[in-house]
Amino acid sequence: AQKVTQAQTEISVVEKEDVTLDCVYETRDTTYYLFWYKQPPSGELVFLIRRNSFDEQNEISGRYSWNFQKSTSSFNFTITASQVVDSAVYFCALSELLAGSYQLTFGKGTKLSVIP
Amino acid sequence: KAGVTQTPRYLIKTRGQQVTLSCSPISGHRSVSWYQQTPGQGLQFLFEYFSETQRNKGNFPGRFSGRQFSNSRSEMNVSTLELGDSALYLCASSLGLAGENEQFFGPGTRLTVL
Repeated sequence: AQKVTQAQTEISVVEKEDVTLDCVYETRDTTYYLFWYKQPPSGELVFLIRRNSFDEQNEISGRYSWNFQKSTSSFNFTITASQVVDSAVYFCALSELLAGSYQLTFGKGTKLSVIP
Repeated sequence: KAGVTQTPRYLIKTRGQQVTLSCSPISGHRSVSWYQQTPGQGLQFLFEYFSETQRNKGNFPGRFSGRQFSNSRSEMNVSTLELGDSALYLCASSLGLAGENEQFFGPGTRLTVL
Protein backbone atom coordinates (compact mmCIF):
# COMPACT_ATOMS: atom_id res chain seq x y z
CA ALA A 1 0.00 0.00 0.00
CA GLN A 2 1.21 3.46 -0.82
CA LYS A 3 2.02 5.67 2.12
CA VAL A 4 1.00 8.78 0.23
CA THR A 5 -1.77 8.62 -2.33
CA GLN A 6 -2.48 11.39 -4.75
CA ALA A 7 -5.35 9.85 -6.63
CA GLN A 8 -5.56 12.59 -9.25
CA THR A 9 -2.84 11.99 -11.78
CA GLU A 10 -3.76 14.94 -13.98
CA ILE A 11 -6.21 17.80 -13.63
CA SER A 12 -7.09 20.49 -16.13
CA VAL A 13 -8.95 23.62 -15.16
CA VAL A 14 -9.76 26.87 -16.88
CA GLU A 15 -8.09 29.96 -15.50
CA LYS A 16 -9.87 31.52 -12.51
CA GLU A 17 -11.47 28.24 -11.49
CA ASP A 18 -10.80 26.84 -8.03
CA VAL A 19 -9.11 23.47 -7.83
CA THR A 20 -8.42 21.04 -4.99
CA LEU A 21 -5.58 18.54 -5.05
CA ASP A 22 -6.15 15.55 -2.83
CA CYS A 23 -3.58 13.84 -0.62
CA VAL A 24 -4.25 10.84 1.58
CA TYR A 25 -1.51 9.40 3.74
CA GLU A 26 -0.99 6.31 5.83
CA THR A 27 1.04 6.12 9.02
CA ARG A 28 0.94 4.50 12.45
CA ASP A 29 3.03 7.24 14.01
CA THR A 30 1.49 9.93 16.17
CA THR A 31 4.25 12.38 15.31
CA TYR A 32 4.91 13.05 11.66
CA TYR A 33 5.18 15.85 9.13
CA LEU A 34 3.34 16.58 5.92
CA PHE A 35 4.61 18.67 3.05
CA TRP A 36 3.53 20.02 -0.29
CA TYR A 37 6.01 20.82 -3.04
CA LYS A 38 5.49 22.30 -6.49
CA GLN A 39 7.51 21.29 -9.53
CA PRO A 40 6.97 23.77 -12.37
CA PRO A 41 7.94 22.91 -15.95
CA SER A 42 11.40 24.34 -15.28
CA GLY A 43 11.99 21.33 -13.03
CA GLU A 44 13.09 22.62 -9.61
CA LEU A 45 10.87 21.58 -6.73
CA VAL A 46 9.66 24.45 -4.60
CA PHE A 47 8.52 24.10 -1.01
CA LEU A 48 4.95 25.22 -0.33
CA ILE A 49 4.06 24.16 3.20
CA ARG A 50 5.03 21.97 6.14
CA ARG A 51 2.59 20.80 8.76
CA ASN A 52 3.28 18.68 11.84
CA SER A 53 0.79 16.11 13.06
CA PHE A 54 -0.18 18.12 16.12
CA ASP A 55 -1.23 21.19 14.20
CA GLU A 56 -4.56 20.64 12.51
CA GLN A 57 -5.23 24.29 11.85
CA ASN A 58 -6.00 25.03 8.27
CA GLU A 59 -3.64 27.41 6.55
CA ILE A 60 -4.20 30.07 3.96
CA SER A 61 -1.46 31.78 2.01
CA GLY A 62 -2.80 34.09 -0.64
CA ARG A 63 -4.66 31.97 -3.18
CA TYR A 64 -3.40 28.77 -1.60
CA SER A 65 -5.05 26.95 1.28
CA TRP A 66 -4.53 23.61 2.96
CA ASN A 67 -6.99 21.45 4.81
CA PHE A 68 -5.46 18.94 7.24
CA GLN A 69 -7.81 16.33 8.69
CA LYS A 70 -6.26 13.64 10.85
CA SER A 71 -9.59 11.82 11.11
CA THR A 72 -9.47 11.04 7.39
CA SER A 73 -5.65 11.11 7.05
CA SER A 74 -5.90 13.77 4.41
CA PHE A 75 -3.97 16.93 3.65
CA ASN A 76 -5.67 18.57 0.71
CA PHE A 77 -4.48 21.62 -1.17
CA THR A 78 -6.78 24.18 -2.78
CA ILE A 79 -5.85 26.86 -5.27
CA THR A 80 -8.42 29.62 -5.54
CA ALA A 81 -8.82 31.56 -8.78
CA SER A 82 -6.18 29.50 -10.56
CA GLN A 83 -3.70 31.14 -12.88
CA VAL A 84 -1.62 29.81 -15.76
CA VAL A 85 1.51 30.13 -13.58
CA ASP A 86 0.00 27.51 -11.26
CA SER A 87 0.54 24.88 -13.97
CA ALA A 88 2.94 22.38 -12.43
CA VAL A 89 3.22 18.99 -10.82
CA TYR A 90 2.31 19.11 -7.15
CA PHE A 91 3.72 16.59 -4.70
CA CYS A 92 2.44 15.73 -1.27
CA ALA A 93 4.94 14.09 1.09
CA LEU A 94 4.84 12.34 4.45
CA SER A 95 7.78 12.34 6.85
CA GLU A 96 7.92 9.57 9.44
CA LEU A 97 10.49 8.49 11.99
CA LEU A 98 12.54 5.62 10.57
CA ALA A 99 15.69 4.31 12.23
CA GLY A 100 15.99 7.43 14.35
CA SER A 101 15.48 10.04 11.62
CA TYR A 102 12.52 11.44 9.80
CA GLN A 103 12.36 10.20 6.24
CA LEU A 104 10.25 11.63 3.42
CA THR A 105 7.97 9.60 1.20
CA PHE A 106 6.51 11.46 -1.75
CA GLY A 107 3.26 10.80 -3.51
CA LYS A 108 3.27 10.25 -7.26
CA GLY A 109 2.23 13.82 -7.88
CA THR A 110 -0.70 15.57 -9.53
CA LYS A 111 -0.09 17.39 -12.78
CA LEU A 112 -2.17 20.54 -12.89
CA SER A 113 -2.76 22.33 -16.16
CA VAL A 114 -4.41 25.71 -16.03
CA ILE A 115 -5.82 26.67 -19.41
CA PRO A 116 -6.09 30.37 -20.26
CA LYS B 1 22.02 33.88 -1.66
CA ALA B 2 22.97 31.24 -4.23
CA GLY B 3 20.66 28.28 -4.54
CA VAL B 4 21.49 24.60 -4.62
CA THR B 5 23.73 23.79 -7.55
CA GLN B 6 24.26 20.43 -9.17
CA THR B 7 26.88 19.35 -11.66
CA PRO B 8 26.84 18.15 -14.27
CA ARG B 9 23.36 18.94 -15.52
CA TYR B 10 23.36 16.17 -18.11
CA LEU B 11 25.27 12.92 -18.34
CA ILE B 12 25.26 10.05 -20.80
CA LYS B 13 26.90 6.81 -19.72
CA THR B 14 26.87 3.20 -20.83
CA ARG B 15 25.94 0.16 -18.83
CA GLY B 16 28.59 -1.01 -16.43
CA GLN B 17 30.22 2.37 -16.03
CA GLN B 18 30.19 4.38 -12.87
CA VAL B 19 29.20 7.99 -12.33
CA THR B 20 29.69 10.69 -9.72
CA LEU B 21 27.26 13.54 -9.28
CA SER B 22 27.99 16.65 -7.27
CA CYS B 23 25.81 18.93 -5.19
CA SER B 24 26.63 22.24 -3.51
CA PRO B 25 24.03 23.19 -0.89
CA ILE B 26 22.93 26.65 0.11
CA SER B 27 25.52 28.28 2.31
CA GLY B 28 24.92 27.38 5.95
CA HIS B 29 22.80 24.34 5.22
CA ARG B 30 24.12 21.21 6.87
CA SER B 31 21.75 18.65 5.43
CA VAL B 32 21.95 17.33 1.90
CA SER B 33 19.51 14.77 0.56
CA TRP B 34 19.44 12.94 -2.75
CA TYR B 35 16.39 11.79 -4.65
CA GLN B 36 15.82 9.82 -7.83
CA GLN B 37 12.95 10.89 -10.04
CA THR B 38 11.59 8.66 -12.81
CA PRO B 39 8.25 8.68 -14.65
CA GLY B 40 7.41 5.22 -13.32
CA GLN B 41 8.51 5.36 -9.69
CA GLY B 42 8.18 9.07 -9.08
CA LEU B 43 10.36 10.76 -6.47
CA GLN B 44 12.27 8.32 -4.33
CA PHE B 45 14.55 9.12 -1.43
CA LEU B 46 18.12 7.88 -1.79
CA PHE B 47 19.94 9.15 1.29
CA GLU B 48 20.52 12.11 3.56
CA TYR B 49 23.79 13.45 4.92
CA PHE B 50 24.02 15.79 7.86
CA SER B 51 27.36 17.11 9.10
CA GLU B 52 29.21 14.49 7.04
CA THR B 53 27.22 11.57 8.49
CA GLN B 54 24.68 9.53 6.60
CA ARG B 55 21.46 9.90 8.56
CA ASN B 56 19.09 7.90 6.43
CA LYS B 57 19.12 5.65 3.42
CA GLY B 58 16.29 4.73 1.12
CA ASN B 59 15.59 1.36 -0.41
CA PHE B 60 18.28 1.34 -3.08
CA PRO B 61 21.03 -1.20 -3.77
CA GLY B 62 24.55 -0.73 -2.50
CA ARG B 63 25.63 0.48 -5.95
CA PHE B 64 24.29 3.83 -4.84
CA SER B 65 26.51 5.58 -2.36
CA GLY B 66 27.31 9.07 -1.27
CA ARG B 67 29.36 11.24 0.97
CA GLN B 68 29.44 14.72 2.38
CA PHE B 69 32.45 16.90 2.86
CA SER B 70 33.26 19.28 5.69
CA ASN B 71 31.98 22.24 3.62
CA SER B 72 28.63 20.39 3.27
CA ARG B 73 29.11 19.73 -0.42
CA SER B 74 27.97 16.24 -1.32
CA GLU B 75 28.67 13.68 -3.98
CA MET B 76 26.64 10.72 -5.07
CA ASN B 77 28.16 7.75 -6.81
CA VAL B 78 26.49 5.01 -8.79
CA SER B 79 28.63 2.06 -9.77
CA THR B 80 27.97 -0.61 -12.41
CA LEU B 81 25.27 1.43 -14.09
CA GLU B 82 22.12 -0.27 -15.32
CA LEU B 83 19.59 0.94 -17.85
CA GLY B 84 17.08 1.43 -15.04
CA ASP B 85 19.34 4.00 -13.41
CA SER B 86 18.37 6.51 -16.09
CA ALA B 87 16.64 9.24 -14.15
CA LEU B 88 16.70 12.80 -12.90
CA TYR B 89 18.78 12.93 -9.73
CA LEU B 90 17.80 15.73 -7.42
CA CYS B 91 19.74 17.14 -4.55
CA ALA B 92 18.13 19.14 -1.77
CA SER B 93 19.54 21.04 1.16
CA SER B 94 18.05 22.23 4.42
CA LEU B 95 19.19 24.02 7.54
CA GLY B 96 18.14 21.17 9.78
CA LEU B 97 17.29 17.57 9.13
CA ALA B 98 15.44 17.05 5.87
CA GLY B 99 12.43 15.20 7.20
CA GLU B 100 11.52 18.02 9.57
CA ASN B 101 12.34 21.08 7.55
CA GLU B 102 11.81 22.94 4.32
CA GLN B 103 14.12 21.66 1.64
CA PHE B 104 15.58 23.64 -1.22
CA PHE B 105 16.05 21.63 -4.38
CA GLY B 106 18.60 21.94 -7.13
CA PRO B 107 17.83 21.70 -10.84
CA GLY B 108 18.91 18.08 -10.99
CA THR B 109 21.29 15.97 -13.05
CA ARG B 110 19.70 14.12 -15.94
CA LEU B 111 21.47 10.77 -16.25
CA THR B 112 20.95 8.64 -19.31
CA VAL B 113 22.33 5.11 -19.35
CA LEU B 114 22.69 3.50 -22.78
